[in-house]
Amino acid sequence: AQSVTQLDSQVPVFEEAPVELRCNYSSSVSVYLFWYVQYPNQGLQLLLKYLSGSTLVKGINGFEAEFNKSQTSFHLRKPSVHISDTAEYFCAVSEVRTGGFKTIFGAGTRLFVKA
Amino acid sequence: NAGVTQTPKFRVLKTGQSMTLLCAQDMNHEYMYWYRQDPGMGLRLIHYSVGEGTTAKGEVPDGYNVSRLKKQNFLLGLESAAPSQTSVYFCASSYQTTLEQYFGPGTRLTVT
Repeated sequence: AQSVTQLDSQVPVFEEAPVELRCNYSSSVSVYLFWYVQYPNQGLQLLLKYLSGSTLVKGINGFEAEFNKSQTSFHLRKPSVHISDTAEYFCAVSEVRTGGFKTIFGAGTRLFVKA
Repeated sequence: NAGVTQTPKFRVLKTGQSMTLLCAQDMNHEYMYWYRQDPGMGLRLIHYSVGEGTTAKGEVPDGYNVSRLKKQNFLLGLESAAPSQTSVYFCASSYQTTLEQYFGPGTRLTVT
């Protein structure tokens, strides 16, 4: 069965430090992968997506993620975070198959950037 | 281009009362979704629609009904609100089911 696991519920980090938010998934078919960001009291917005092609995907605000098929992971990284990156981040997986609908969101990782 | 809008932004209901949440999108998307967001549980799909006049159940449909009479609108109804329905509700839309979703700003509902 399809599932998404975000391994850390909270990640505190100092400003200008690097950060990695981890996401693992399970699926028996091909998948599309997404990272969304939710700022306080707002809806989710897309950070980046992997549909096909290069496994290293670059998104907005300096974030990037790497699709690792053998480890079924899609970890999100940023080399130097800012206070403004404080938000909740959601990993999402869509199964690619004919008919039906299947997009699953992870439980979220709250990134807290400290000065 | 407003994207996805939701009405109302906040609402407080008493147990047993009913209400309707309205979602509207101006991107001509076929697919629309209603989620609820609870602490530590991420987003859970309530109902979704693959086109005008069609709806389907998601992961947590009990206690909710939906309608999609017009392509741009997707309504979520609570017939008899319960405290367990206290949550933040998000509407989203997409061009295809497997592609990225565009989210509204959310409706914070409290049922007392």
